[in-house]
Amino acid sequence: AQTVTQSQPEMSVQEAETVTLSCTYDTSESNYYLFWYKQPPSRQMILVIRQEAYKQQNATENRFSVNFQKAAKSFSLKISDSQLGDTAMYFCAFMKQNNQGGKLIFGQGTELSVKP
Amino acid sequence: DVKVTQSSRYLVKRTGEKVFLECVQDMDHENMFWYRQDPGLGLRLIYFSYDVKMKEKGDIPEGYSVSREKKERFSLILESASTNQTSMYLCATEYRATGELFFGEGSRLTVL
Repeated sequence: AQTVTQSQPEMSVQEAETVTLSCTYDTSESNYYLFWYKQPPSRQMILVIRQEAYKQQNATENRFSVNFQKAAKSFSLKISDSQLGDTAMYFCAFMKQNNQGGKLIFGQGTELSVKP
Repeated sequence: DVKVTQSSRYLVKRTGEKVFLECVQDMDHENMFWYRQDPGLGLRLIYFSYDVKMKEKGDIPEGYSVSREKKERFSLILESASTNQTSMYLCATEYRATGELFFGEGSRLTVL
């Protein structure tokens, strides 16, 4: 069975600084997707970034980037130039790739506070 | 934009009551999911559905059932609510081409 672990329950960062959220996972699958989702306070969860396991290049979306280390089963999220609107709960998630679509396995979450 | 609408943002129920949580999506996605979110535990999958009238158990199905009579609607049912079902419930649909989930705003259920 797959598992996803986020070892940092809470983190804080000063506005405009850079912060890295950690995520490790365990799987015997070779084809899968990894995701980071963001859940702002009292608002809907939204996708931040997505990585396909077969791609060696790290995914990037504006200020958000990942460090994907497949051999180490590590998938960290880096937020550059942190903004107050980045304050949220962040979840790392794993999905096995198959034709039917998939069910995500989520980590425990990291609550990030961006301080002015 | 994909819209996933959950019928109730906040509910308070008594132990033993039957509870219905409804979820409606407008993007014609086949896959729909019900997750439960608890502090320190992340999101755990209760049930999912790949098509109308099809359902599969997730990781924590005990005490729950689901119904999918129409493609756009996926309902979660608590036959006899218990205090340990107090939680935030999240509905999601999946865009299968990318695996991206689209979530509703959540339903926070308190069982007294």
